[in-house]
Amino acid sequence: SYELTQPPSVSVSPGQTARITCSGDALPNQYGYWYQQKPGQAPVLVIYTDTERPSGIPERFSGSSSGTTVTLTISGVQAEDEADYYCQSADSSGTSLVFGGGTKLTVL
Amino acid sequence: QVQLVQSGAEMKKPGASVKVSCRASGYNFAAYTIHWVRQAPGQRLEWVGWINTATAVTKYSDKFQGRVTLTGDTSASTAYMELSGLRSEDTASYFCARGARLGWGDAFPFWGQGTMVTVSS
Repeated sequence: SYELTQPPSVSVSPGQTARITCSGDALPNQYGYWYQQKPGQAPVLVIYTDTERPSGIPERFSGSSSGTTVTLTISGVQAEDEADYYCQSADSSGTSLVFGGGTKLTVL
Repeated sequence: QVQLVQSGAEMKKPGASVKVSCRASGYNFAAYTIHWVRQAPGQRLEWVGWINTATAVTKYSDKFQGRVTLTGDTSASTAYMELSGLRSEDTASYFCARGARLGWGDAFPFWGQGTMVTVSS
């Protein structure tokens, strides 16, 4: 079955830039999405269709796509950004959705 | 505002079935798909499937095909997920999520609060 691969963890100091990658063979032809999830809460959409940010999401969150990798970038990381981040996309047929394994962002 | 309110926690024995509800408000229920996603304790999000609430057409993840049934009641603005043949590995929080409007692709901008299902003898 199709898989999306994320690093298990990323650590940054406050004010630095965090980059979280997500790799998958179908990503050149399928959009990537990013969710933030804090303990005990439902996920929150932070990036859709590779690069777009929903209203209410801070401008420090941005997304990009290149080949088989999509990337979530958080500029000027704040303590409140500490959370698990999941990428989401579809398989090559576009009919089945899949999530990455998640990346725990730690703000040092 | 858009809200998805799910039914309460469930405790089931192995082999049993569970049915979780997701009541929608704040929008036209039949205008958007409802997806179901589960998350075992400490594990990744896992897509279960979706239902077109207008036509009742469904699509299931291969992993759950044959064990899960998604339905919807447009008169009650409520979607349901039934999972049968429960085993301990099905212990998880089950979330419903609303599909996005045109141009947002497969994004899930709205989520229910989650329903914890525990399978234990």
